[in-house]
Amino acid sequence: AQSVTQLDSQVPVFEEAPVELRCNYSSSVSVYLFWYVQYPNQGLQLLLKYLSGSTLVKGINGFEAEFNKSQTSFHLRKPSVHISDTAEYFCAVQWNTGFQKLVFGTGTRLLVSP
Amino acid sequence: GAVVSQHPSRVICKSGTSVKIECRSLDFQATTMFWYRQFPKKSLMLMATSNEGSKATYEQGVEKDKFLINHASLTLSTLTVTSAHPEDSSFYICSARGRDGNTIYFGEGSWLTVV
Repeated sequence: AQSVTQLDSQVPVFEEAPVELRCNYSSSVSVYLFWYVQYPNQGLQLLLKYLSGSTLVKGINGFEAEFNKSQTSFHLRKPSVHISDTAEYFCAVQWNTGFQKLVFGTGTRLLVSP
Repeated sequence: GAVVSQHPSRVICKSGTSVKIECRSLDFQATTMFWYRQFPKKSLMLMATSNEGSKATYEQGVEKDKFLINHASLTLSTLTVTSAHPEDSSFYICSARGRDGNTIYFGEGSWLTVV
């Protein structure tokens, strides 16, 4: 079955420190990859996406992610976080077979403290 | 990006009544929209896929008669929770495929509280 794994349910980090949020998925067939951010009591906002081309994608708010096909990973990184980055981050994968349903990971809560 | 709007953002209804949530694509036409449910501190669960002009496709375990989905136009899909119960209280989020046909954009979500 297709699945998306976010190993860390919560990542605490100090302001201005670098951060990496991990995302792995179950299959290496053709995929589209997304990271979304959810602030408290709000919907989801697209951070970045990988559809094709360069494996390093840059998104909004200084985030970037790298698609690694051999490791079936799409980890999210930011070199220096801000307090305002505190939020829930969801990795999502769309497999380009069959119905092309978007499958979400369980989310990682990023907690940035001063 | 594309803009998806949901209404209402918050709704409280009495147990046994029905409530409708609207999802609109504001600056693009969306032949396919998706409805998700999010439980507290949990990930998103796809409930159904709404296709313009045809019946929605429901995920396993989602009651079709309880969660009625209508996609009457290329810019509007509605989710009606019928005979609502307190356990239906949740955060419901809709989404739609953008112009590129691949990227999915989400609405702001709707908080439903059934009392």
